[in-house]
Amino acid sequence: GENVEQHPSTLSVQEGDSAVIKCTYSDSASNYFPWYKQELGKGPQLIIDIRSNVGEKKDQRIAVTLNKTAKHFSLHITETQPEDSAVYFCAALEDSGAGSYQLTFGKGTKLSVIP
Amino acid sequence: DTGVSQDPRHKITKRGQNVTFRCDPISEHNRLYWYRQTLGQGPEFLTYFQNEAQLEKSRLLSDRFSAERPKGSFSTLEIQRTEQGDSAMYLCASSRTGGGSPLHFGNGTRLTVT
Repeated sequence: GENVEQHPSTLSVQEGDSAVIKCTYSDSASNYFPWYKQELGKGPQLIIDIRSNVGEKKDQRIAVTLNKTAKHFSLHITETQPEDSAVYFCAALEDSGAGSYQLTFGKGTKLSVIP
Repeated sequence: DTGVSQDPRHKITKRGQNVTFRCDPISEHNRLYWYRQTLGQGPEFLTYFQNEAQLEKSRLLSDRFSAERPKGSFSTLEIQRTEQGDSAMYLCASSRTGGGSPLHFGNGTRLTVT
């Protein structure tokens, strides 16, 4: 089955700086890679996702890059703000449309943005 | 879009008791998923439904666990004879059918088994 490794496990940045979180996956058939943000006491919230047919996707201060050859993908947050502080999870899925829909998650990165 | 709703938010039970959780998905979503999350870990897949059909179950879903989605709308997850190792956050998510439909999670039910 799929295995997703996520680094770092904790990350502290100064407000306004950039934050980068990296993930690797094992199953070359995986083709859908979402990122979730989880605040204390809440469920994961989808913030951005990318499919294997593109290499980069941006949404305001958030971007995701994908390297299929190396089987890794990264989340980039620019101009960080205190409200970005949360735990971030990457995930991977082989979305063949054939029925299986098991997202495999990384172990998470706790991001702290210091004012 | 009122989001995925889970009830209760917290449940404390004694070992050996049965518990049942409910999930109400986003109304137009026909896929519904259950995940479990322990402290410091990412969510782990348990099972998922397309409409009322349970299409996939993880090996994590022992025979003490049962999930239903009788009318293709809300779902229940029951744990029988709870054990301390069942203590976790149980998350429900829903999505549309079709390639790349994102999962939308509820805020979970936190189970504590004493």
